[in-house]
Amino acid sequence: NAGVTQTPKFQVLKTGQSMTLQCAQDMNHEYMSWYRQDPGMGLRLIHYSVGAGITDQGEVPNGYNVSRSTTEDFPLRLLSAAPSQTSVYFCASSYSASQPQHFGDGTRLSIL
Amino acid sequence: EDQVTQSPEALRLQEGESSSLNCSYTVSGLRGLFWYRQDPGKGPEFLFTLYSAGEEKEKERLKATLTKKESFLHITAPKPEDSATYLCAVQGQGGSEKLVFGKGTKLTVNP
Repeated sequence: NAGVTQTPKFQVLKTGQSMTLQCAQDMNHEYMSWYRQDPGMGLRLIHYSVGAGITDQGEVPNGYNVSRSTTEDFPLRLLSAAPSQTSVYFCASSYSASQPQHFGDGTRLSIL
Repeated sequence: EDQVTQSPEALRLQEGESSSLNCSYTVSGLRGLFWYRQDPGKGPEFLFTLYSAGEEKEKERLKATLTKKESFLHITAPKPEDSATYLCAVQGQGGSEKLVFGKGTKLTVNP
């Protein structure tokens, strides 16, 4: 059982570039979410989804886009990368919003 | 707005020296309080969920408790492998499914 798989593990971008962070889970979880983790800030919710075709904004959604076309996948798109988006990004999933979330091991993103 | 404050920010213990981590929260009706453990370079790993004041849960050397305003993670006779950052998160009943995390407590257990 792979759990939550995030790719890539590391990425360096230049300001203005776009990219997609991939997240896949094989647990048939309906609820998926994206967080960013910055030193001294804790985990902050970017976007979340309660099921295929349904997404909503979290605490810090600006500059990010998501879609949920299947139960398994929940990609996060950076539209035009900015240095302020340098962070560690975590994807998580759970059976429902009130259940404990399972986290991937993160994507470490640096934007120059 | 839901808020979570964890203290202390960092804690150093000797092996076998028991202690507690604190998670204070404000939320408009608590749906659940979650404890996670995070090792360097890894994603958070789920430990416990607490739902109502007075509830307690245990796992090996860890015991989580909950009151109406705070939660404690008690660590009994810790070992070096308990070294990690411990995260607390709350989910309110305000109609949103969002989890709000604290900044974490970094625990170091020296042999």
